[in-house]
Amino acid sequence: GAVVSQHPSRVICKSGTSVKIECRSLDFQATTMFWYRQFPKQSLMLMATSNEGSKATYEQGVEKDKFLINHASLTLSTLTVTSAHPEDSSFYICSARDPRDNPGGLQETQYFGPGTRLLVL
Amino acid sequence: KQEVTQIPAALSVPEGENLVLNCSFTDSAIYNLQWFRQDPGKGLTSLLLIQSSQREQTSGRLNASLDKSSGRSTLYIAASQPGDSATYLCAAVIQGGSEKLVFGKGTKLTVNP
Repeated sequence: GAVVSQHPSRVICKSGTSVKIECRSLDFQATTMFWYRQFPKQSLMLMATSNEGSKATYEQGVEKDKFLINHASLTLSTLTVTSAHPEDSSFYICSARDPRDNPGGLQETQYFGPGTRLLVL
Repeated sequence: KQEVTQIPAALSVPEGENLVLNCSFTDSAIYNLQWFRQDPGKGLTSLLLIQSSQREQTSGRLNASLDKSSGRSTLYIAASQPGDSATYLCAAVIQGGSEKLVFGKGTKLTVNP
């Protein structure tokens, strides 16, 4: 199956700094990638949908100026947490659709990365 | 607003036991429902996907059912093994072409040898 990687796997930073997380589709080109956040004992919550070459679509309540998403190529999307604060500490996970799975139709399967654990001190 | 609930939050069983994980959703207008497995430090692995027109899907020792009218899905695991220990998540895809996955909080399964 399709493989999605994330880097870094975990990061610790000081409050006020910015952190960039990379999401890569390794063996396919992903026109659409998704960014999720998971707090302890909570559901994965969709933060934004990232489309290659266009602006990301953010879910209600997610600050687009704080969580910058760049999908500059068909294999790479980045999430930058700007001016991170302790409440941003969470597990961030991305996913991507492989257009080969269902060409021309609603693409159903999302392939998930291993996630990035962010701790802001 | 679609909400997905999973019960129980945690389950511990001896090896070899058959078990059922439950998932309920509030809005029956779903495109499909998916079950995932999440291992610590790893991403999600898709286990089964049930289309809204289907009632069940099977893969090996796993069987997932879907009852849209009652807003419920179950994941049945036969002859559980220690390697099945993980957190199991169900997620509903909202109808309307949005492709959004709405996840439950998961059931943490421990299979004891």
